[in-house]
Amino acid sequence: QPVVTQEPSLTVSPGGTVTLTCDSSTGAVTSGHSPYWFQQKPGQAPRTLIYDTNNKHSWTPARFSGSLLGGKAALTLSGAQPEDEADYYCLLSYTGARVFGGGTTLTVL
Amino acid sequence: EVQVVESGGGLVQPGRSLRLSCAGSGFTFSSYDMNWVRQAPGKGLEWVSHISTGGSDVNYADSVKGRFTVSRDNAKNSLYLQMNSLRVEDTAVYYCARGSAYSLWGQGTLVTVSS
Repeated sequence: QPVVTQEPSLTVSPGGTVTLTCDSSTGAVTSGHSPYWFQQKPGQAPRTLIYDTNNKHSWTPARFSGSLLGGKAALTLSGAQPEDEADYYCLLSYTGARVFGGGTTLTVL
Repeated sequence: EVQVVESGGGLVQPGRSLRLSCAGSGFTFSSYDMNWVRQAPGKGLEWVSHISTGGSDVNYADSVKGRFTVSRDNAKNSLYLQMNSLRVEDTAVYYCARGSAYSLWGQGTLVTVSS
């Protein structure tokens, strides 16, 4: 199965902007991979922030946005808040399978 | 209340079987694809399986293909994961997630495979 790669860790200052990326071993990530982004805090189940590249759920804070950037899927957080400190996972869809990235631990400091 | 609740986890020996269930309530279960996702202790998320609304289209991760079987009973608003030939590396919290947008997650059920 394909390998999906994310930055292991990133740090952002409160109020700052950070972009997390999601890369595929098979080549450029496209809308056909229907990129998803999930947030998980310690001891909690994941929750979905973004689906199909850039679609938000009703609970997704406006400061999160999804896009395609330089052949990768991207999650941009603009105006980071302390409560955004969490693990973030992307998920890509392939024919017959879906694959999660290894996750990015985001520190707000 | 709109929710999905997983059950059926526990301690099992390597090579044995276990069946997980996921009960949906508060929504039209038959209208949604469903997914299983797992997370080993201290590790990241791993997609396990997907099943279409009617159950005719199923997909599996390579790591479980041939050992796990996903099914659903829309009359009972339930999703299942039959896990055979369990291995130590199958130890994880197993989550069910609703729909192609993964719009609803349960709290998970812990499966521990150990002798």
